[in-house]
This record gives sequence, C-alpha cells and structure tokens, in this order.
Amino acid sequence: DSGVTQTPKHLITATGQRVTLRCSPRSGDLSVYWYQQSLDQGLQFLIQYYNGEERAKGNILERFSAQQFPDLHSELNLSSLELGDSALYFCASSVGGLAGSYEQYFGPGTRLTVT
Amino acid sequence: DAKTTQPNSMESNEEEPVHLPCNHSTISGTDYIHWYRQLPSQGPEYVIHGLTSNVNNRMASLAIAEDRKSSTLILHRATLRDAAVYYCILRGNYGGSQGNLIFGKGTKLSVKP
Repeated sequence: DSGVTQTPKHLITATGQRVTLRCSPRSGDLSVYWYQQSLDQGLQFLIQYYNGEERAKGNILERFSAQQFPDLHSELNLSSLELGDSALYFCASSVGGLAGSYEQYFGPGTRLTVT
Repeated sequence: DAKTTQPNSMESNEEEPVHLPCNHSTISGTDYIHWYRQLPSQGPEYVIHGLTSNVNNRMASLAIAEDRKSSTLILHRATLRDAAVYYCILRGNYGGSQGNLIFGKGTKLSVKP
C-alpha cells in the first residue's frame, strides 16, 4: 500500500460525458501528478500540482483539467469523453516538487471505460 | 530529457540474483537515476534511486557506473512477485517540466519457478 488513494476504482461512461477522478496523496506529500496509461501509448504524464499550484503540464488534452485543493487532494476532470480516452489513470505523490531526488508513490489507478 | 535504453525482456529463475541493465549515455551531472516497477494490473511502484554512489534498500541495490553512463538494478533473490516491467528513468534536479517521470517501454522481467 503506497498511501495514495484513488477513487473510483472503475468507471464506465458513454461518449460525450464528463467524469471526475479523485486522488488523495500520502500524508505530508505536497506534490500530485496525474498519468494516463493506455495500451498503445504506455504511461504518459498529464499534469503536476505542487501545494495547490500547477507546476508542469504534459500531454494533457484541452478537454481535461485538474486542480489541487487546500487539503492537497486532487481531482482530474475529463469532459466530452471519446472512446480513445479509455485508459488507466494513475495519480502519484511526492514530498517535493521538481527536485530529481524525490521519489513518487503511485495510487492503484482508476480504470476508465468509455462506451 | 536524457534518454535511457533497456532490454525489452529478461528471464530469471526464482531465488537467483537478477541484474537489470540500463544505459544512459547522455545523462547530465544533475540527473538522478530512478527505478520503478509495475506489476500486472497495479500502479507503478518506486524501487530505488541514486545520483553517483551505489545504493541499497530493502527491495534492491543500484549499481552506478563510475562515468554514470550506465546503471544496474540488482534484485538479490528473485521471487515470483518480482515479475514486472522495470523502468529506468532519469530525473533532473532543476525546474521546468522535469518534476514528472518519463516512462519508456522498460524491461519485462519473467521469473520462472
């Protein structure tokens, strides 16, 4: 158990819909990262927040957005869903933000299926 | 970002040591070498990381070449639970977008009983 929690575990929804994925970081961790894992693209970084502020953006679509709240939990919002958005979405947390010395701890993921 | 090169797959026998290699010839002086693994149907799991010196923890050892252009993750006694995809990742120690991990294809380790 990494200490990072994600809800829900599974999500099935239709194209065009909007969903929200939730992540609670490990106690004391200030940084939250979101990653997407699909069969054809592998693990890809989406976005990072550090203590409530956006710090880095990866291959995140404009239809996707995220935020980190004062209690440090984070939500990833996916809208106008397409079949290609079906994937595993992982949240990770670390103590620090950008330093290379910090390791990241991953949650169990949310499996999103868009039908 | 500096890239890493790993073999696509490796096989090991249970209870034998495993040496997983990683080449990173364009590593910069401030890049940390991180290793993560992903077991089937699970999220990635942190294994170990280092900068210049060899590192040991309860899971594994990390041997870093003197010129830092390669490293080896050592599992001292492989178990069936160690069957996973192992990722070698470089993380810079500076600002910008380098806070995230860039995953390659990794090495798929199979462990035979």
